[in-house]
Amino acid sequence: GENVEQHPSTLSVQEGDSAVIKCTYSDSASNYFPWYKQELGKRPQLIIDIRSNVGEKKDQRIAVTLNKTAKHFSLHITETQPEDSAVYFCAASSRGYGQNFVFGPGTRLSVLP
Amino acid sequence: GAGVSQSPSNKVTEKGKDVELRCDPISGHTALYWYRQSLGQGLEFLIYFQGNSAPDKSGLPSDRFSAERTGGSVSTLTIQRTQQEDSAVYLCASSPGQVANYGYTFGSGTRLTVV
Repeated sequence: GENVEQHPSTLSVQEGDSAVIKCTYSDSASNYFPWYKQELGKRPQLIIDIRSNVGEKKDQRIAVTLNKTAKHFSLHITETQPEDSAVYFCAASSRGYGQNFVFGPGTRLSVLP
Repeated sequence: GAGVSQSPSNKVTEKGKDVELRCDPISGHTALYWYRQSLGQGLEFLIYFQGNSAPDKSGLPSDRFSAERTGGSVSTLTIQRTQQEDSAVYLCASSPGQVANYGYTFGSGTRLTVV
């Protein structure tokens, strides 16, 4: 089955700097890769996603890149703000067309003022 | 409804008692998922429903855990003879169809504490 690894587990950056979180996956059949943000005590919320036919996707300050050959994908946050502080989870669809996601273990991002 | 609704939001139960957790997905969403999140940990897959059937029960941690879904809508996760290690936030999510085409929408979760 699918296995998703995520690094780093914790990340601290100064406000205004960029943050990068990296994930690798094992199942070459996976073709959809969402990222979720979970603020303390709240539900995970989808912030961006990418499909396997695309190499990069941007939405304002956040972007995701995908390298299918190497089976890794990354989240990039530019001009970080204190409200970006949260736990971020990457995920990969399992079993090809996907009946569930396998999540990475999460990255706790702290943006320091 | 407008979002995924879970009840109760908090549940404290004594060790050995049974509990039922409820999830009401977004109207029209055919896929429903249960995950468990222990304190400070990631998201552990429990079970997935497509309509009323559960093609993937591989994540249920023991036979004390069961789930059902009726009418293609509401789902109930039941934990029998609760143990302290069952304490966690139980998250439900729903999706309009094949997850490869759509992301999940999560509910706010049920925080279960077994004392």
